[in-house]
Amino acid sequence: GAGVSQTPSNKVTEKGKYVELRCDPISGHTALYWYRQSLGQGPEFLIYFQGTGAADDSGLPNDRFFAVRPEGSVSTLKIQRTERGDSAVYLCASRSLVPGGDTEAFFGQGTRLTVV
Amino acid sequence: SQQGEEDPQALSIQEGENATMNCSYKTSINNLQWYRQNSGRGLVHLILIRSNEREKHSGRLRVTLDTSKKSSSLLITASRAADTASYFCATDDYKLSFGAGTTVTVRA
Repeated sequence: GAGVSQTPSNKVTEKGKYVELRCDPISGHTALYWYRQSLGQGPEFLIYFQGTGAADDSGLPNDRFFAVRPEGSVSTLKIQRTERGDSAVYLCASRSLVPGGDTEAFFGQGTRLTVV
Repeated sequence: SQQGEEDPQALSIQEGENATMNCSYKTSINNLQWYRQNSGRGLVHLILIRSNEREKHSGRLRVTLDTSKKSSSLLITASRAADTASYFCATDDYKLSFGAGTTVTVRA
């Protein structure tokens, strides 16, 4: 596609429910990133994939959060037993990573998750 | 935890004035990038400066990098109302880490 696509754009869920957020990166981009952003804050790193594998998942806050990228393209961020504190905008970004290269990341418009 | 910290947190200027914001970071980097965000949704890349560069220009943007002080600055010259946005620095060591941002308001 032309850009990074995130679906849904908005999601309202009840406390305790399970949610999945989807990210379609730019075709051919090997690296994919997930961030969480609360109002007035900067994007907080969650996880990044290089290909199919999670290269760094140090930002996942706890074991309720999990992300996959089974074919090295689309990624899904999964949140179990949602809590009100999970409410935020979840951003996805992708970019090409080449040895020695410095590349920009392209962001989707985000999914606004509201846990009620 | 976030790598970069921007200063100031907020900035209000008159159209035509220059806006300067600073970013400090903690660890070694491959490069440092600046992004802009409108309305709290997707970020847009503005400029990238490599660790072996000291200054870079792109249109009305000027970025400096001082790796000895672990700091960078972004200057927007001749600001316009359309420059009103939040600006973030991101350190790049393959993991892109963002600061809390500077909110810039340009008054017409």
